[in-house]
Amino acid sequence: GIQVEQSPPDLILQEGANSTLRCNFSDSVNNLQWFHQNPWGQLINLFYIPSGTKQNGRLSATTVATERYSLLYISSSQTTDSGVYFCAVEYGGTYKYIFGTGTRLKVLA
Amino acid sequence: DSGVTQTPKHLITATGQRVTLRCSPRSGDLSVYWYQQSLDQGLQFLIQYYNGEERAKGNILERFSAQQFPDLHSELNLSSLELGDSALYFCASSPRQALGHYNEQFFGPGTRLTVL
Repeated sequence: GIQVEQSPPDLILQEGANSTLRCNFSDSVNNLQWFHQNPWGQLINLFYIPSGTKQNGRLSATTVATERYSLLYISSSQTTDSGVYFCAVEYGGTYKYIFGTGTRLKVLA
Repeated sequence: DSGVTQTPKHLITATGQRVTLRCSPRSGDLSVYWYQQSLDQGLQFLIQYYNGEERAKGNILERFSAQQFPDLHSELNLSSLELGDSALYFCASSPRQALGHYNEQFFGPGTRLTVL
């Protein structure tokens, strides 16, 4: 099956710093989403991005499907950005998401 | 708020028992997915239903079963519970999904199951 790897596994930032999170996948995908899991466990949709680039406020994402990776950029980080960031991919007509292991982000005030 | 609702929010039960988790998808969504998030296994896909029919199956144990009803809500039944079944169970929904087409999934708040 497909492998989905995220890096870095852990990240600590000072408030106001920028960061880049990476998601690598081992096979072609039909679908890719980025999620933020907040400290209360809720999974929040960030981007639906099987290819191309999208921006939403301080967050942006780029997926280069031909090279099998996606990047999530967080600019001017805030303490509320803390939590775990997951990418999830759907591939091969399976209709199921395979989640990466996540990047745990902590933003310090 | 994603529009997907799950009940109950928390559930505490004993080993050997049976529980039912309920999910209502977003209005108009025909697909429902179930996922399990445990500390040692991460987030894992369990099963998907589309308009009442099972469409895809993941690492779902034989002790677990699910169904989607005509009103499109779904239930996940977990029986003969073991300590290792303690986890956060998520339901997600996505819009009408013709074969070969893929859409964004929206996740509910989850049900936290604790088996003592």
